[in-house]
Amino acid sequence: AQSVTQLDSHVSVSEGTPVLLRCNYSSSYSPSLFWYVQHPNKGLQLLLKYTSAATLVKGINGFEAEFKKSETSFHLTKPSAHMSDAAEYFCVVSDFSGGGADGLTFGKGTHLIIQP
Amino acid sequence: DGGITQSPKYLFRKEGQNVTLSCEQNLNHDAMYWYRQDPGQGLRLIYYSQIVNDFQKGDIAEGYSVSREKKESFPLTVTSAQKNPTAFYLCASSPGTGRGETQYFGPGTRLLVL
Repeated sequence: AQSVTQLDSHVSVSEGTPVLLRCNYSSSYSPSLFWYVQHPNKGLQLLLKYTSAATLVKGINGFEAEFKKSETSFHLTKPSAHMSDAAEYFCVVSDFSGGGADGLTFGKGTHLIIQP
Repeated sequence: DGGITQSPKYLFRKEGQNVTLSCEQNLNHDAMYWYRQDPGQGLRLIYYSQIVNDFQKGDIAEGYSVSREKKESFPLTVTSAQKNPTAFYLCASSPGTGRGETQYFGPGTRLLVL
């Protein structure tokens, strides 16, 4: 079975400083991994996804994530935070090994706060 | 503009009442999904459909019903049997249901009980 753990429910950083949102996964197979962002009262927008190509994945808005199989991690980073990055971020794993009827398992989310 | 639309943005339900949430997509996607989101939780799958006239229960289907009569439409009915319907409901679609398929989300409908 697959699972995903977002290690921090809240992360607070100052504008202009780096962002790190941590995600660990468990999967019986080679997984696909996604990061989505959700602004208040909005739907989810795909930031980036990993599907067994390059382990460093670049996404939109300057975000990137690195797939580390040995550490079963897929942490999301950005070099310099912007006020518009304040939102909820979800890490998602997909391997169709039984996690959810559609094969997706969502983390519980990390709320990113940007201090001016 | 291609995308997914959900209506209404806010919906109020009275006790014992059934309500229907609309979801339409013009992306020509085969698969569509309904999720429920509660504060501090991830998304939980209610129903999904891989093709017209077919749908499958998700993890929390009790108290909900769906139909898929057209490729572009996947309405969700919250029945009176759903005792705790207050939540944010998200519709999504994807080209197919293979591993690695990206799901694209609508803007959501917030359901409140009067």
